[in-house]
Amino acid sequence: QKEVEQNSGPLSVPEGAIASLNCTYSDRVSQSFFWYRQYSGKSPELIMSIYSNGDKEDGRFTAQLNKASQYVSLLIRDSQPSDSATYLCAVVGSSASKIIFGSGTRLSIRP
Amino acid sequence: DGGITQSPKYLFRKEGQNVTLSCEQNLNHDAMYWYRQDPGQGLRLIYYSQIVNDFQKGDIAEGYSVSREKKESFPLTVTSAQKNPTAFYLCASSIEHFQPQHFGDGTRLSIL
Repeated sequence: QKEVEQNSGPLSVPEGAIASLNCTYSDRVSQSFFWYRQYSGKSPELIMSIYSNGDKEDGRFTAQLNKASQYVSLLIRDSQPSDSATYLCAVVGSSASKIIFGSGTRLSIRP
Repeated sequence: DGGITQSPKYLFRKEGQNVTLSCEQNLNHDAMYWYRQDPGQGLRLIYYSQIVNDFQKGDIAEGYSVSREKKESFPLTVTSAQKNPTAFYLCASSIEHFQPQHFGDGTRLSIL
């Protein structure tokens, strides 16, 4: 089992709809979780960080964390073509000695 | 503007050659990191440094070396021992160890 797993996609969502991206992790006592967006050929940029159970909203983005089920998700409301990118989930392990990135989910917003 | 500068953007390595990738930050961050990304893959940690004059191996350190003589600078050397160096190399920094990271624009390394 991979330490951080994401569906590679591509996930195709119509413009204006909600895109839902999921990530599961294996370290039960992980404490910090991040979502990064990476456009093709570019470096990742931080979108959201979440540390406690529940929802955290920032503009059109909502991160959801459920530590009991060991998953973290990212919702993008009112999806725009500019949201088309690969989204990387990253988890800091319990010992805070390393951060593990998932392989990413490719999101495509169709007009 | 504060940020992370990586250079060069593209680099070609001849067989048996060592090459050095530059990473400079003016964010006053203590922690710096080097990642490797292969096509369609996530990021794999090569080395990280929490403070000046100290660094730790990541998951794929073999064939690479680093130094951290100044807070602002964390250069990565890809040695001839790294037999498959072709990849996208990303440098990142964070205020403290494994806080949210900010990335440079990356260096693409290829073999001639």
